[in-house]
Formats: sequence, structure tokens, C-alpha cells
Amino acid sequence: DVKVTQSSRYLVKRTGEKVFLECVQDMDHENMFWYRQDPGLGLRLIYFSYDVKMKEKGDIPEGYSVSREKKERFSLILESASTNQTSMYLCASSFTSREQYFGPGTRLTVT
Amino acid sequence: GQSLEQPSEVTAVEGAIVQINCTYQTSGFYGLSWYQQHDGGAPTFLSYNALDGLEETGRFSSFLSRSDSYGYLLLQELQMKDSASYFCAVRGSGGYNKLIFGAGTRLAVHP
Repeated sequence: DVKVTQSSRYLVKRTGEKVFLECVQDMDHENMFWYRQDPGLGLRLIYFSYDVKMKEKGDIPEGYSVSREKKERFSLILESASTNQTSMYLCASSFTSREQYFGPGTRLTVT
Repeated sequence: GQSLEQPSEVTAVEGAIVQINCTYQTSGFYGLSWYQQHDGGAPTFLSYNALDGLEETGRFSSFLSRSDSYGYLLLQELQMKDSASYFCAVRGSGGYNKLIFGAGTRLAVHP
């Protein structure tokens, strides 16, 4: 079974803090994704990576950056957290566009 | 641009059949996927249609009409555990394996 894990289920940070969210997958997938999910807005793509050290902006990259130094690990970085970044963050991985495998999510609260 | 539309909420009773529709606009079509997400859980893949017609997987079926840019997810013999949000998704433009998701349909199954 494909397993995608995320470093935290719940996280509380203060405004202005630097926040790291980590995602690890165990299926040797080339593609990895970071989404945020807010009520009524579905899943919105923040960044994705199609290979080690390769990244592309998604639909809402402002205020975020990413890092992929190893194939199995994809990190999302909030350089200076703001209250409007309070959300559920979901990581996913895939071989193709047919099926993505999601991690359990990190609920981030910025106060 | 690319967009998907699906109803925000659907209500049904146990044992009934429910259909969740999805219309999409996309430049270049590679297939329509469906995901299920229970409250507090991660999205999980349900089905994928690349060609016109009906795909059946147990109680769930998915239909696609490429000429109408339309698809639906059909859930039969509804059970309480089917109460969840359902998302349709299409591959994003740009040549990568990213997905664009609809805002989701919340299905409530009542006894």
C-alpha cells in the first residue's frame, strides 16, 4: 500500500513565524503536491514537484515556498506565517494524473 | 482557464441511488477522476474515466461524456458510511500530472 505521511496532524503557530510542513511518500513517485483545503473552496494547489529539486507554482503560491532535496520528501515552507494561512494542508504523490495518494493532512492554525 | 462545477450538497436516504454531476472546462482533456473524503480524513481515489461511457466499481459507477464536458458519479444502495464529500478532478494544463479539483459535493445519507 502506498503510504504518504505528514509531519504533524495539528500545528499552532504565531504570526510571523517560519513554518515547515514535511511530507514523505514510500512509493518512489516522481510527482508530489501540496494543497490547502478551505470550506467551500475544495483543494487548491500551492506547489508541486515532478522530480528532485524541480518545482512548479500551483494556483496559490504566494506566501509559500517548497523544497525537494530527496525523491521521497517534499517540504512546504511558510516564510512568515499569517492568519490567512490558517487552513488544512494536504500533501499528495502520484505516478500519473489518474490517481493521487494523499497524506492525512496538517491542520495549521496561525494566531 | 480550467474550472469544474459540481453541486455543493446532496441529501439521500439509505438504500437509495444518488447521482453527483460534474461539468468541466479545460484546455486539453486527459480524464476525469473522482475522490471521496470523509470528515477529518484524506481524499481517497474512487474512479477514473478517460473514455466516454460508464465505469462500474461495486456500488459506485462513474460516467463520462467528453462531447458534453460532463461526468457523474453514481452511488447505489446508499449506506450511512457513504456520507462524505466527493470531488471531481481533471488534469491541469501545462504538461504536468497536476489535478484541478472541483469545490466538492457534500453527501448526507439519512436513515
